[in-house]
Amino acid sequence: NAGVIQTPRHKVTGKGQEATLWCEPISGHSAVFWYRQTIVQGLEFLTYFRNQAPIDDSGMPKERFSAQMPNQSHSTLKIQSTQPQDSAVYLCASSPTGNYAEQFFGPGTRLTVL
Amino acid sequence: AQSVTQPDARVTVSEGASLQLRCKYSYSGTPYLFWYVQYPRQGLQLLLKYYSGDPVVQGVNGFEAEFSKSNSSFHLRKASVHWSDSAVYFCVLRANSNNRIFFGDGTQLVVKP
Repeated sequence: NAGVIQTPRHKVTGKGQEATLWCEPISGHSAVFWYRQTIVQGLEFLTYFRNQAPIDDSGMPKERFSAQMPNQSHSTLKIQSTQPQDSAVYLCASSPTGNYAEQFFGPGTRLTVL
Repeated sequence: AQSVTQPDARVTVSEGASLQLRCKYSYSGTPYLFWYVQYPRQGLQLLLKYYSGDPVVQGVNGFEAEFSKSNSSFHLRKASVHWSDSAVYFCVLRANSNNRIFFGDGTQLVVKP
């Protein structure tokens, strides 16, 4: 079991460029979560999928951010026209079904927008 | 509204000393509570969790936490810390109504040799 895999581990983009972050959940886990971590804001929930369907995207910025889960083996977080304030560590977590399931986190992708 | 408060941003202890990291939560329903640890440049790892039953729960590496409904707290403890325990510790509340989780701001633990 390789755990949650996130690629790339580090990404540097120029202001205005697009960034796509990938997450591969643990096999068999049906829930996938995205979070953003910064020094100032701490850990913020972004969005959540269950069985590939978007369940809650209330934490997603309304513009430029989108997330998809085209199949059970991966999810993507896309940021269009990146801005310096998007610089953060983006964490993906997966969870099996069930009311008592904890989340398993990936190592994160550190995005730096110059 | 749900929230988690970790009042101590940074705690410094000497190796071998005992440890308590404080966590207070706000939630009207049945709380599901977790402690996670984050080592530098790594993701979060689960230390322990509480759902119901015995208010003292045991975790990995000698950590334990005690749930108190009356105090709305879930403090983390360890009898004797090791330098390798230096990390950031997050207290986390899960709202079972919508599966959302709420993080505290984290407490950075520094263990001095």
